Amino acid sequence: GQNIDQPTEMTATEGAIVQINCTYQTSGFNGLFWYQQHAGEAPTFLSYNVLDGLEEKGRFSSFLSRSKGYSYLLLKELQMKDSASYLCAVSDSNYQLIWGAGTKLIIKP
Amino acid sequence: ETGVTQTPRHLVMGMTNKKSLKCEQHLGHNAMYWYKQSAKKPLELMFVYSLEERVENNSVPSRFSPECPNSSHLFLHLHTLQPEDSALYLCASSPRLEAYNEQFFGPGTRLTVL
Repeated sequence: GQNIDQPTEMTATEGAIVQINCTYQTSGFNGLFWYQQHAGEAPTFLSYNVLDGLEEKGRFSSFLSRSKGYSYLLLKELQMKDSASYLCAVSDSNYQLIWGAGTKLIIKP
Repeated sequence: ETGVTQTPRHLVMGMTNKKSLKCEQHLGHNAMYWYKQSAKKPLELMFVYSLEERVENNSVPSRFSPECPNSSHLFLHLHTLQPEDSALYLCASSPRLEAYNEQFFGPGTRLTVL
């Protein structure tokens, strides 16, 4: 079967760094996405990785290891507005997105 | 604003009602999607349309019926729903179906079935 695993909830302190992990087992792989979803709002795109390595975009970075079926999203210099759910999704062999249940990130002052 | 709008934002319906959800995208995209989002569960892909043709139907009950009259509009017709169908229904669009295309989501319709 197809499976995406990520922690249910994480807590971090304003100004700190947090890493949200995602492991996957899918039928085929055509890239991995990270989305951010604030409570009551639509998911918004953060990053896309299809090759191994680290992609940096401002305070957010995303890492992929295809051989390990593993990705992480790294958030630096955390701000209160970063409190949200972070969704990991894999594009499978049919280009359909398989989603994780999301990680709720709570930022404390 | 993502360029994808959904109406209504909230809907309460009885099990015998018929209602429709509407999605409109102003981005010139060719692919559109319906997702179901239940609390603490992964997004479930329901339907995929590419250039107004349905390309995927992920074993969705027939009480959900999609319609895509053109590449800018997508409907989800609801009929004799069950309480377990209560959820957030999200519409999304992308330029094409290829893997690297990010999806742009609408704000969703919060559906409650009594």
